[in-house]
Amino acid sequence: AQKITQTQPGMFVQEKEAVTLDCTYDTSDPSYGLFWYKQPSSGEMIFLIYQGSYDQQNATEGRYSLNFQKARKSANLVISASQLGDSAMYFCAMRGAQGAQKLVFGQGTRLTINP
Amino acid sequence: DGGITQSPKYLFRKEGQNVTLSCEQNLNHDAMYWYRQDPGQGLRLIYYSQIVNDFQKGDIAEGYSVSREKKESFPLTVTSAQKNPTAFYLCASNSVSSYNEQFFGPGTRLTVL
Repeated sequence: AQKITQTQPGMFVQEKEAVTLDCTYDTSDPSYGLFWYKQPSSGEMIFLIYQGSYDQQNATEGRYSLNFQKARKSANLVISASQLGDSAMYFCAMRGAQGAQKLVFGQGTRLTINP
Repeated sequence: DGGITQSPKYLFRKEGQNVTLSCEQNLNHDAMYWYRQDPGQGLRLIYYSQIVNDFQKGDIAEGYSVSREKKESFPLTVTSAQKNPTAFYLCASNSVSSYNEQFFGPGTRLTVL
């Protein structure tokens, strides 16, 4: 069975600082994908970044980068130069290789950016 | 504009009543999903469908039913058998040929009184 663990229920960061949100995963599939989503208070899920298990380089999307350490089964999200608008819930998720792309989600981390 | 629409945004129902949540997408995606989110929690999969007229149970399907008569639509019915239906419900979709993103609708917040 696949499992995602996010050990930080809440994070508080000063504006303009970088922040790392932790995510560890467990799977027996050799091929899998890892996702990060942002959920503002409005509730919608906003896709941020994706990392495939066979990708050689860490994924980057603007201020977001994914620190993928396959041997440690970790996929931490790094947000550079944080902004007040980054305050939200952040979810790490994983899909396996078998069947549909159903996602397994972690419990989430609530990020608060202080001015 | 392409995307996923869910209606209504807020829904109130009396205990014991069935209620149907709408999910429509115009992205020409093959696969559609329903997730449930409880306060302070991650999302859990209720049902998913990869093709018209076919769907599979997710991790928490008990008390729910779905249909997939059209590619664009994947309605979810919350039945009276669902013991704790108050939650935030999110619909999602993706193309089966694209593995790197799953799009979500804005969600429906269901409150059972």
